[in-house]
Amino acid sequence: DGGITQSPKYLFRKEGQNVTLSCEQNLNHDAMYWYRQDPGQGLRLIYYSQIVNDFQKGDIAEGYSVSREKKESFPLTVTSAQKNPTAFYLCASSLAKNIQYFGAGTRLSVL
Amino acid sequence: SQKIEQNSEALNIQEGKTATLTCNYTNYSPAYLQWYRQDPGRGPVFLLLIRENEKEKRKERLKVTFDTTLKQSLFHITASQPADSATYLCALENNAGNMLTFGGGTRLMVKP
Repeated sequence: DGGITQSPKYLFRKEGQNVTLSCEQNLNHDAMYWYRQDPGQGLRLIYYSQIVNDFQKGDIAEGYSVSREKKESFPLTVTSAQKNPTAFYLCASSLAKNIQYFGAGTRLSVL
Repeated sequence: SQKIEQNSEALNIQEGKTATLTCNYTNYSPAYLQWYRQDPGRGPVFLLLIRENEKEKRKERLKVTFDTTLKQSLFHITASQPADSATYLCALENNAGNMLTFGGGTRLMVKP
């Protein structure tokens, strides 16, 4: 089955800890994105990557980091500098800059 | 500044009626506009894309209009069903053409 796989589904972070959210796609899409969604809110763009080994900051990149070493993978690290990390994180991919296909999301909470 | 506005209040309608959701935008010159559906705890799912030179687009019970003069898109679901209950998001490409920006979404509740 083609699609986007996010893991884990739920993640808990301790104070001062970095955590990494996984996003893998087998759609052969060039572009990949990370969004944050807070309760009752829309999606806010954290980082995006249009090609391998290149990525750009979105609207709320502070406290996050990404890498794009392979076309299929775009992991997101929530660093200890992100003081309010509790949210629903969504990864998406698209062919060029058009329709986006989303994963099932990772819900991050702080212990 | 660029802004996309969707009604943040939930829309409650009776089964069988037509639901109409609104997406207004300012300071965008979009080549196209997209609509997505999001169920609780899930990722959004693409529904329809309409280009700036298209006034209307249909897909089964869904209809989208796009008025670039009014800077508004309307999303209609005809013969609505309880299974249509979800949050609906509109999305526009920003003026730089390098990212998609989503509205806050409108929650639709269809009562049997």
